[in-house]
Amino acid sequence: NAGVTQTPKFQVLKTGQSMTLQCAQDMNHEYMSWYRQDPGMGLRLIHYSVGAGITDQGEVPNGYNVSRSTTEDFPLRLLSAAPSPTSVYFCASSYVGRVNEQFFGPGTRLTVL
Amino acid sequence: AQSVTQLDSHVSVSEGTPVLLRCNYSSSYSPSLFWYVQHPNKGLQLLLKYTSAATLVKGINGFEAEFKKSETSFHLTKPSAHMSDAAEYFCVVSERGTGNQFYFGTGTSLTVIP
Repeated sequence: NAGVTQTPKFQVLKTGQSMTLQCAQDMNHEYMSWYRQDPGMGLRLIHYSVGAGITDQGEVPNGYNVSRSTTEDFPLRLLSAAPSPTSVYFCASSYVGRVNEQFFGPGTRLTVL
Repeated sequence: AQSVTQLDSHVSVSEGTPVLLRCNYSSSYSPSLFWYVQHPNKGLQLLLKYTSAATLVKGINGFEAEFKKSETSFHLTKPSAHMSDAAEYFCVVSERGTGNQFYFGTGTSLTVIP
């Protein structure tokens, strides 16, 4: 049982580049979500999904796309990177209908030059 | 609407002394509340959670928190700080009707002085 896995662990982009962050879970969780953490701030919700084929926007969705073709995978596409200090992107998963803990991945550290 | 306020951005304690990290929340309905810890360059680990059962919640590593509805607070405490407790701590609120959406506080950085 690997839990929530994320790739890559680190990434450096140039302004305007795009990339896809991968997230997978093997716990058969219906709910998956993406958060970003900026320096000195808490986590903010980007997008979430309550099951395959269903996605919705969170607090800060602009500049990102998501898809959920399977229960296990929830990739996040960054469309056009803007210069920023290192942000950390976390993927999380849990069962729907249970306000319970969310299981977080180890994070992807992204710097845009 | 839900929100979380962590009242201190930095807390510094001596090893062996008590820890108090303060959290106030705003919620329209019955909230669920969590404390997560993040060690440097690591992911998030659940310390403890309150989900409408006992108001005093015990977590891992000797941490506990008390849900006080009248004060809308969920402060995190530990009787004796250890060097390994140095980390960033996040208070989180979620409530029924918002599905699984979590709302994070801005975090409290705990420093433990030897």
